Amino acid sequence: GENVEQHPSTLSVQEGDSAVIKCTYSDSASNYFPWYKQELGKRPQLIIDIRSNVGEKKDQRIAVTLNKTAKHFSLHITETQPEDSAVYFCAAEPGNTGKLIFGQGTTLQVKP
Amino acid sequence: DGGITQSPKYLFRKEGQNVTLSCEQNLNHDAMYWYRQDPGQGLRLIYYSQIVNDFQKGDIAEGYSVSREKKESFPLTVTSAQKNPTAFYLCASSITGKVGYEQYFGPGTRLTVT
Repeated sequence: GENVEQHPSTLSVQEGDSAVIKCTYSDSASNYFPWYKQELGKRPQLIIDIRSNVGEKKDQRIAVTLNKTAKHFSLHITETQPEDSAVYFCAAEPGNTGKLIFGQGTTLQVKP
Repeated sequence: DGGITQSPKYLFRKEGQNVTLSCEQNLNHDAMYWYRQDPGQGLRLIYYSQIVNDFQKGDIAEGYSVSREKKESFPLTVTSAQKNPTAFYLCASSITGKVGYEQYFGPGTRLTVT
C-alpha cells in the first residue's frame, strides 16, 4: 500500500525566511497531494493541493511542487510569519481509493 | 462553528469498556472518515465511508467499529479489543469520496483509557 514519508519532523526558521517541507510517496498510482495545516489546539485545514498533471501550484506565499518521476512533493512557504507556526501534514491519495495517506507531520516554528 | 462536530471533546474510560465517539455533519457530504492522531505519527485512517450504508477499513481498523446508517452521522466505537486506545480522534467529511476533494475536519475527541 501507499506510504508517505515527511521530513523534517521539526523546523525552526526566523521570521521572513523561507521554509521547505518535503514528502515522498511510494505508490506511483497516487494522483492527488494535499497539504493540511494544524494550529495548536485546532483542527487540520487544507492550505493547498496539487494534482498529478501539474508540476507546481502557488497561492500567495505558499507553493507546492511535484516530481512524479522521483515520487516526491514539497511545500514552500516564503516570507514566513509567526502565524505560520503550526504542524503541517502532507498526504497522498492512492489512485481512485477515496482515502488519504498522511505523512508524519512537520512542526514549524517561526521565530519573531 | 457548525459544519462537522464531534462530541465530547474529552472522554475518559476504564480499560475493558467499549466507548462510542460521535461525529455529525450538516454539510450534506457523502464521504466521512475517522482518523487517529498520535504524536509523531501523523493522521492514520481507521475507517471511511464513501456513501451511506457502506464503509471500508482503513489502515488501523483492528479494535474499532463504525456504522453509517444516516448520511450525517458516522459514529466510531472503540472496543476493548483495541490495545492502545488512548489517542486524539479526528472525524472528517468530504463532499464526495472521489479523488481530489477537500476533507473537512471536526474539532476532535481526546480519549483517555486507564
